[in-house]
Amino acid sequence: SYVLTQPPSVSVAPGKTARITCGGNNIGSKSVHWYQQKPGQAPVLVIYYDSDRPSGIPERFSGSNSGNTATLTISRVEAGDEADYYCQVWDSSSDHPNWVFGGGTKLTVL
Amino acid sequence: EVQLVESGGGLVQPGGSLRLSCAASGFTVSSNYMSWVRQAPGKGLEWVSVIYSGGSTYYADSVKGRFTISRDNSKNTLYLQMNSLRAEDTAVYYCASQPRRNAFDIWGQGTMVTVSS
Repeated sequence: SYVLTQPPSVSVAPGKTARITCGGNNIGSKSVHWYQQKPGQAPVLVIYYDSDRPSGIPERFSGSNSGNTATLTISRVEAGDEADYYCQVWDSSSDHPNWVFGGGTKLTVL
Repeated sequence: EVQLVESGGGLVQPGGSLRLSCAASGFTVSSNYMSWVRQAPGKGLEWVSVIYSGGSTYYADSVKGRFTISRDNSKNTLYLQMNSLRAEDTAVYYCASQPRRNAFDIWGQGTMVTVSS
């Protein structure tokens, strides 16, 4: 089955740029979606189809996807961005469709 | 307002059964792909099952043969029947709608399932 690899943690100072990576075999050929999850809350979709933002998500959140790595970029990081972030793809390589999540990255705002 | 509200979680013994419900408002369950996603304590997200708008159903290998996803169009509600429960099924279970099919746009607040003797 398809595997997505994320760094366990990323730290960034307020006002700086955070980049969270998601690695997968030829992931650039797939559509990648990103979710933000704060403690005790349900996940929230922040980026879909590699780089599109749902309504209500700040422009500070952006995404890219090429080769074997997808990246979620958060510009001008704020304290409220501290959360776990998960990448996700849809995989059809097995005998049934499968929605695959990365292991998650904890973003710490210093 | 688009909303999903799960219920039915609780404590169950290994080998037992539980049925989760997910009531939708603001949209029609049968018009969307709908999934269950779970999260074990302190762990990441794991997709469990999906029901397509056309009615086809699919399951993660970890639950195939034990869990059944269904919906009641008249109640606009999604269900997950869980049988032969194991300790490793302990998790918060979220229902999620997929108007874009490949992503999970709207999530419920989750319901906790604990499998323990």
